Amino acid sequence: EPEVTQTPSHQVTQMGQEVILRCVPISNHLYFYWYRQILGQKVEFLVSFYNNEISEKSEIFDDQFSVERPDGSNFTLKIRSTKLEDSAMYFCASSYSTDTQYFGPGTRLTVL
Amino acid sequence: AQSVSQHNHHVILSEAASLELGCNYSYGGTVNLFWYVQYPGQHLQLLLKYFSGDPLVKGIKGFEAEFIKSKFSFNLRKPSVQWSDTAEYFCAAIYSGAGSYQLTFGKGTKLSVIP
Repeated sequence: EPEVTQTPSHQVTQMGQEVILRCVPISNHLYFYWYRQILGQKVEFLVSFYNNEISEKSEIFDDQFSVERPDGSNFTLKIRSTKLEDSAMYFCASSYSTDTQYFGPGTRLTVL
Repeated sequence: AQSVSQHNHHVILSEAASLELGCNYSYGGTVNLFWYVQYPGQHLQLLLKYFSGDPLVKGIKGFEAEFIKSKFSFNLRKPSVQWSDTAEYFCAAIYSGAGSYQLTFGKGTKLSVIP
C-alpha cells in the first residue's frame, strides 16, 4: 500500500537557522498538507496546498514558513529562521480529494 | 472557532474489556468526522470516518463509532480490546461547509491494554 514518506526523521538545528522538511506524498494525490504537534499539545493544521498554490493556511503559518512542490514528487516545508517554539513533530499528509488524508511518520524538529 | 474535544487523556484496560472513547465536536455546519490511531513508533492511520448516511460506522480492526448529531458526539467503541490496540487515538473533524478541508484534532487519548 502506498505511503507518505518524510525525511529526515529527526532534525536538530540552532535557533535562527533555516530548515527544510521533506515529504513525498502518495503519487496520485492532489492535495498536500502540513501539520505539527508540539509535545503534549494537539495536532495543529499549518497549511494545505493544491494546484501548485496554498489553498488554506492557519495563523501559525506566518512569513517564516513556506511550502513548495519543487518537482512532481516532493513537497517541502521551509522554516526560514527557526525559533525555540518551532520545536515539534511535523506531519505531512496527502489526499486524492478533499476526503481522507494519509499521514507520513513525521519529522521531529528540535531547535536549540 | 471549531474544536474537537476528547474526554479521556489516558485509559487503561485489561484485555477483553470493552472500550469506549469519547469525542465531541463543536457546531460548525457540515462536519466530516474521523478517528485516527497512532501505534507506538508509527504514523497516524485512519481507523474510520463518517461523512453521511448510517450513523454507525465500522472501521478496521473491529472498531466502530457512532455519530450522534444531537449530542455532537462521535464516540469510538470496540467490544473486546487486545494488547495490540495499545496506541494513541485521535478524533478529528473537517468543517467542510466553509470550504475548509483542514483536520481539526482532539488532544488524543492514550490507550494502554494490559495483557
